[in-house]
Amino acid sequence: QKEVEQNSGPLSVPEGAIASLNCTYSDRGSQSFFWYRQYSGKSPELIMSIYSNGDKEDGRFTAQLNKASQYVSLLIRDSQPSDSATYLCAVRTGGGNKLTFGTGTQLKVEL
Amino acid sequence: GAVVSQHPSWVICKSGTSVKIECRSLDFQATTMFWYRQFPKQSLMLMATSNEGSKATYEQGVEKDKFLINHASLTLSTLTVTSAHPEDSSFYICSARDRTSATDTQYFGPGTRLTVL
Repeated sequence: QKEVEQNSGPLSVPEGAIASLNCTYSDRGSQSFFWYRQYSGKSPELIMSIYSNGDKEDGRFTAQLNKASQYVSLLIRDSQPSDSATYLCAVRTGGGNKLTFGTGTQLKVEL
Repeated sequence: GAVVSQHPSWVICKSGTSVKIECRSLDFQATTMFWYRQFPKQSLMLMATSNEGSKATYEQGVEKDKFLINHASLTLSTLTVTSAHPEDSSFYICSARDRTSATDTQYFGPGTRLTVL
């Protein structure tokens, strides 16, 4: 079982719709969770971090964390073509340094 | 805030030469930096963790003598690809951990695209 799992996609949504990206992780000791966006040929950029169970909203983005289910998700409201990218879920365990990344979900927002 | 730079952004070299890539945290001090490699259409692969003032920690399967890492200051880490070969051609990305931020987050540099002829 991979430590951090994401559906590779592509996930296609129409412009203006809500895109829902999901991530599961295997280590129950995981404490910190991050979503990064990576455009083709570019490096990842941080979108959001979340540490506590529940929802965290930032503009059009909402991160949701459920530690009991070992599940973290990212919702993108009012999806735009510029949101088309690969979204990486990353998890940090306990006091460790490293982030463990999922393989990413490719999102395509269609006109 | 939280800007990480890399230099050069791209480099083309001949097989057998060495290439140095610099990673700088511009507006924060980073006791820990990370080096990743990414091949086309593949995910990030962590190569090593760079700790200021001490030896780097390499991931399994990464040759420490081939990928030399130096983290001499709180804002600079370098990766040297020694005796580069075509199979080393890849996108090399560094990241720096900002422990002082409320989110204790890793920020990525823009990456260096290495092509070995």
